[in-house]
Amino acid sequence: DAKTTQPPSMDCAEGRAANLPCNHSTISGNEYVYWYRQIHSQGPQYIIHGLKNNETNEMASLIITEDRKSSTLILPHATLRDTAVYYCIVKTGANNLFFGTGTRLTVIP
Amino acid sequence: GAGVSQSPRYKVAKRGQDVALRCDPISGHVSLFWYQQALGQGPEFLTYFQNEAQLDKSGLPSDRFFAERPEGSVSTLKIQRTQQEDSAVYLCASSARQKTGANVLTFGAGSRLTVL
Repeated sequence: DAKTTQPPSMDCAEGRAANLPCNHSTISGNEYVYWYRQIHSQGPQYIIHGLKNNETNEMASLIITEDRKSSTLILPHATLRDTAVYYCIVKTGANNLFFGTGTRLTVIP
Repeated sequence: GAGVSQSPRYKVAKRGQDVALRCDPISGHVSLFWYQQALGQGPEFLTYFQNEAQLDKSGLPSDRFFAERPEGSVSTLKIQRTQQEDSAVYLCASSARQKTGANVLTFGAGSRLTVL
């Protein structure tokens, strides 16, 4: 099963881009990379996912390296409401998602 | 409904009591998941349903934990003879498979269980 490695915590100044790295060196060719975030006392919230190509939506951009062994989630203009724990996930097993402990992002005013 | 609804939001039980946690998934979502989240940890998979069929229950920590989804919609997670180590937030999620084959989950706010 592919697992991910993320830094435990990061800070980002409000209004600046937040770049959250993730290593997934054992990912297999047909496994997606997913990003979720969890704001305090809420359930996890889906952000974005990708397979090989870079992806962008209204929340974030996902940059996946050519060898697919790592990726970066980019929040282009971080706000205080983006303070949360961010989980990088590679789908394991038939259906479940392995969350790990994520990166706690703190956006500083 | 517009989202995944869980009840109760908070439950306090005495050790040894049985508890039942309810999940109302998004209408039309065939897949339903239960996760357990201990304080300071990420969510951990418990079980998965496709419609009414429980296809994976490998994450259930003991035979005191039981989940059902009899009509393929609402699901109930039951914990018998609760223990202090069962104290956690129990998260429910549902999903509709994407055209690409990816599996995007929508989570409820969770049910926080405290066992005294």
